[in-house]
Amino acid sequence: AQTVTQSQPEMSVQEAETVTLSCTYDTSESDYYLFWYKQPPSRQMILVIRQEAYKQQNATENRFSVNFQKAAKSFSLKISDSQLGDAAMYFCAYRSGGGADGLTFGKGTHLIIQP
Amino acid sequence: EAGVTQFPSHSVIEKGQTVTLRCDPISGHDNLYWYRRVMGKEIKFLLHFVKESKQDESGMPNNRFLAERTGGTYSTLKVQPAELEDSGVYFCASSQEIGPYEQYFGPGTRLTVT
Repeated sequence: AQTVTQSQPEMSVQEAETVTLSCTYDTSESDYYLFWYKQPPSRQMILVIRQEAYKQQNATENRFSVNFQKAAKSFSLKISDSQLGDAAMYFCAYRSGGGADGLTFGKGTHLIIQP
Repeated sequence: EAGVTQFPSHSVIEKGQTVTLRCDPISGHDNLYWYRRVMGKEIKFLLHFVKESKQDESGMPNNRFLAERTGGTYSTLKVQPAELEDSGVYFCASSQEIGPYEQYFGPGTRLTVT
């Protein structure tokens, strides 16, 4: 079975600074997807960024980028130029293969943005 | 386009009672998922519907949980009888039948069993 570990229950960053959220995973599969989801307070969870395991290039979405280290099974999220609206719970998630399987989540990291 | 909706947003029931949670996926999404987050723990996958069929129900905790998706539209998750450990937030998500199968989440139902 796959597992996802987020070792930082809470992180704090000054507005406009850069912060990196850690995620490691364990799997014996070669084909999988990794995701970062964001859940703002009292709001729905939304997808921030997606990484296909077969792609060596790290995914980037505006201020959000990942550092995908397949051999180390590490998938960290970097948020540049942090904004107050980035304050949320961030969940790392894993999905097997290219199908529509369910997700395996980490426990989440609570990100606080200091003004 | 309306997102995934869930009802109720919050439910408080006593141990032994029955509760039914509802999820309305995004229109046209064949895949529907249920997840649960117990306080302080990971969000756990419960089951996956493709249209009205259960594709994967490996995460269902026990036979007190019954999920249905009649007609392949909305889904219900019934807990009967509820136990204290069933407390948590129940999330529903949906995705299209074609890749990349991005899952869109609902706001969740917070269930408190006292």
